[in-house]
Amino acid sequence: DIVLTQSPDSLAVSLGERATINCKSSQKILFNSNRKNYLAWYQQKPGQPPKLLISWASARESGVPDRFSGSGSGTDFTLTISSLQAEDVAVYYCHQYYTKESTFGQGTKLEI
Amino acid sequence: QVKLVESGGGVVQPGRSLRLSCAASGFSFSNFGMHWVRQAPGKGLEWVAVIWKDGSNKYYADSVKARFTISRDNSKNTLYLQVNSLRVEDTAVYYCARNLGENGDYEPLDYWGQGTLVTVSS
Repeated sequence: DIVLTQSPDSLAVSLGERATINCKSSQKILFNSNRKNYLAWYQQKPGQPPKLLISWASARESGVPDRFSGSGSGTDFTLTISSLQAEDVAVYYCHQYYTKESTFGQGTKLEI
Repeated sequence: QVKLVESGGGVVQPGRSLRLSCAASGFSFSNFGMHWVRQAPGKGLEWVAVIWKDGSNKYYADSVKARFTISRDNSKNTLYLQVNSLRVEDTAVYYCARNLGENGDYEPLDYWGQGTLVTVSS
């Protein structure tokens, strides 16, 4: 199985500052034939289900603020929040769907 | 609008069984692959199982293989998870979730239910 390792496990960032979360895959999750990276990012707030933020490593979902961006390719990926807002406090997960048995990273807790 | 509503959770003794359901509405259920994802109390997300849109393929996490069975009834717009031989470590909120892309097989998960809690305890 593909293992996703997120770093850091927790992160405290000041309001208005940049937050960066990394996700490293144990195998390449770039499909050569379509040049797509099979990686997504989710935000989960307490008591709520996860919310899809970014798919295909860098495609922001409709309605997601543009301060959220995804980057990376192959085995190394990053979620960046350009200017942290109070409502961004949450746990963030990466998710690979390259294999039929998909897997999630362990999560990164983001605090103010 | 898209809605996924899980049910069937509860408190159960180790070794017993449950059947979880996920009622879907607001989209063409038979065109989407569906997943179960679980989250133990205070822990991260764990992918459990996927079933393709027509039920032709099913895949499981190693931790549940041979004990859990995913299925669907497209005529009833409902997804199921039969959970057998339950263990204390299966205690979790179980979410159903939909593939982002219609007719796609390898997709992120764009809609999630609110989850149903399964507690395994003697």
